[in-house]
Amino acid sequence: AQTVTQSQPEMSVQEAETVTLSCTYDTSESNYYLFWYKQPPSRQMILVIRQEAYKQQNATENRFSVNFQKAAKSFSLKISDSQLGDTAMYFCAFMKEHAGNMLTFGGGTRLMVKP
Amino acid sequence: EADIYQTPRYLVIGTGKKITLECSQTMGHDKMYWYQQDPGMELHLIHYSYGVNSTEKGDLSSESTVSRIRTEHFPLTLESARPSHTSQYLCASSRAPGTEAFFGQGTRLTVV
Repeated sequence: AQTVTQSQPEMSVQEAETVTLSCTYDTSESNYYLFWYKQPPSRQMILVIRQEAYKQQNATENRFSVNFQKAAKSFSLKISDSQLGDTAMYFCAFMKEHAGNMLTFGGGTRLMVKP
Repeated sequence: EADIYQTPRYLVIGTGKKITLECSQTMGHDKMYWYQQDPGMELHLIHYSYGVNSTEKGDLSSESTVSRIRTEHFPLTLESARPSHTSQYLCASSRAPGTEAFFGQGTRLTVV
């Protein structure tokens, strides 16, 4: 079974600054997918970024980027130029290959962006 | 915004009542899921479906049941609600292997 750990229950950052959210996972699989999802207060969970484990290159989506360290089983999310709209719960999630796209989630990090 | 809808958004109901949480998606996705999100915000898979007439239980044991009679519809039913069922329930769907799941807005259930 896979486990996903987010060691930072809460974080805060000043608007326009950079913040990094940590995620580690445990698996015996060689190929898999990793995701960061954002859940704003009372709104839908949406995908922030996706990483395929067999790709060495770190995924990037505008102000969001990841630092994927496969050997260390680490998958951190960096948010640059933080905006007030980035305030949300952030979940790291693991998806095993060929397993029906089911997700195993970490416990989440509550991020507050302060003006 | 994803084309996946859950109703109701909020529900307060008495112990022992039967309830059905609705989930519909218009994206034609074969795979659909129910996740339970506890007050501590952790999410756990309770049911999934790979297509019509396919349903399986997830990692977290749940007294709820699901059905998948139509591709777009994946309702969750509790025959007799209890306070321990108080939680947020998120429905999701996805298409191709390894692709993202799209989530509904969730149903926040309170059983009193």
